[in-house]
Amino acid sequence: QITLTQQAESLWVSPGEKVSITCRASQSLLYTDGKHYLSWYQQRPGQTTKALIYHASIRTDGVPTRFIGSGSGTEFTLSIEDVQPEDIALYYCLQTLKKPYTFGAGTKLELK
Amino acid sequence: EVQLQESGPGLVKPSQSLSLTCSVTGYSITSNYWGWIRKFPGNKMEWMGYISYSGSTSYNPSLKSRISITRDTSKNQFFLQLNSVTTEDTATYYCARYKRGGYYFDYWGQGVMVTVSS
Repeated sequence: QITLTQQAESLWVSPGEKVSITCRASQSLLYTDGKHYLSWYQQRPGQTTKALIYHASIRTDGVPTRFIGSGSGTEFTLSIEDVQPEDIALYYCLQTLKKPYTFGAGTKLELK
Repeated sequence: EVQLQESGPGLVKPSQSLSLTCSVTGYSITSNYWGWIRKFPGNKMEWMGYISYSGSTSYNPSLKSRISITRDTSKNQFFLQLNSVTTEDTATYYCARYKRGGYYFDYWGQGVMVTVSS
């Protein structure tokens, strides 16, 4: 199965800063259709899990433009520019290229 | 708006079966795919499986012998059954819609915590 590595268990950030969360796959997530099957999710206490990005770089409806997905092949990044207090959450990457679908271990964004 | 809501017992005894229901409103489960995902203490997430718009299923091989996902289209619900549970099945269980054409889980339930303990 494909392993996703999110090396940072926690990241500390101040409001207004930019932060990047990385996700490395054990094999390329590029499919023959030219798309990467990598998505990003946000989990906040008391809220439903929110899909932020799919196909590595496409924001889902309503997601603020400060959330930017990038990367290709095996290396992917979720960047959050101008971090807001409501961005403090747990973030996961997920690959859906091959079954079993697998998640990264999660990165917790915390306030400095 | 699409909404999903998990329900079921919060406590299951070891060796018994865990049964959960996901009730969907705002969208028919005869379209797209509908999955179960769990989050263990310590935050590890695991995709368990899904049922398609046609009723076909796909499961994580790590669970294949114990898991069953079924549905009742008349009630717009789908179900998870996990047999022979152990304490290692203690987790928060989520149901979610898997969107074809994006290949990601776009709508999630709130999650239901299930503890396996005698």
